Amino acid sequence: DTEVTQTPKHLVMGMTNKKSLKCEQHMGHRAMYWYKQKAKKPPELMFVYSYEKLSINESVPSRFSPECPNSSLLNLHLHALQPEDSALYLCASSQRGGDGELFFGEGSRLTVL
Amino acid sequence: QKEVEQDPGPLSVPEGAIVSLNCTYSNSAFQYFMWYRQYSRKGPELLMYTYSSGNKEDGRFTAQVDKSSKYISLFIRDSQPSDSATYLCAMSGGSSNTGKLIFGQGTTLQVKP
Repeated sequence: DTEVTQTPKHLVMGMTNKKSLKCEQHMGHRAMYWYKQKAKKPPELMFVYSYEKLSINESVPSRFSPECPNSSLLNLHLHALQPEDSALYLCASSQRGGDGELFFGEGSRLTVL
Repeated sequence: QKEVEQDPGPLSVPEGAIVSLNCTYSNSAFQYFMWYRQYSRKGPELLMYTYSSGNKEDGRFTAQVDKSSKYISLFIRDSQPSDSATYLCAMSGGSSNTGKLIFGQGTTLQVKP
């Protein structure tokens, strides 16, 4: 079982809804990541938090809003999404960031109607 | 030209075969090399992690990195039907390394009983 836990596993939302994805890790890692993965494609980086500070935003639209309340938790707030935002959203963590050894959660499968 | 090239397959082999998966890359600054296994509708699972050049073995899996040729490989011995999955190579590194992974497109492997 992965040590990165994501909830919910599945989410269906309308374009006017506000929802959040949650991620938790208890490995003492100090870097956490959000990735987006479309079918038959590799994961695409969205955000990186290093020591609880946002260090990378890969030009993600503002309808996606990340939050890192503490070193173990990472949230992704969703608002006014489009159907093309439907995808598997993956959270990952690594010990420090910069060494590339990422551990992924199982993902939250998002469907936007 | 993509930074990381990986043949998407699909690759189909009989049970017990030796499987060879490969990636080439163009950025000589990459230092960290990873192989992930991803089952359908699941998050990527870190299989092998290698720093710089050389070989690493873990059970039936062997990872090789040849930095002079910018080429990495994953070998699976005595392949099993449970190895059927998509295998993603990933790499990172460089002077401004932030831990951002560059993924290959993934190779779909099917091991037939």
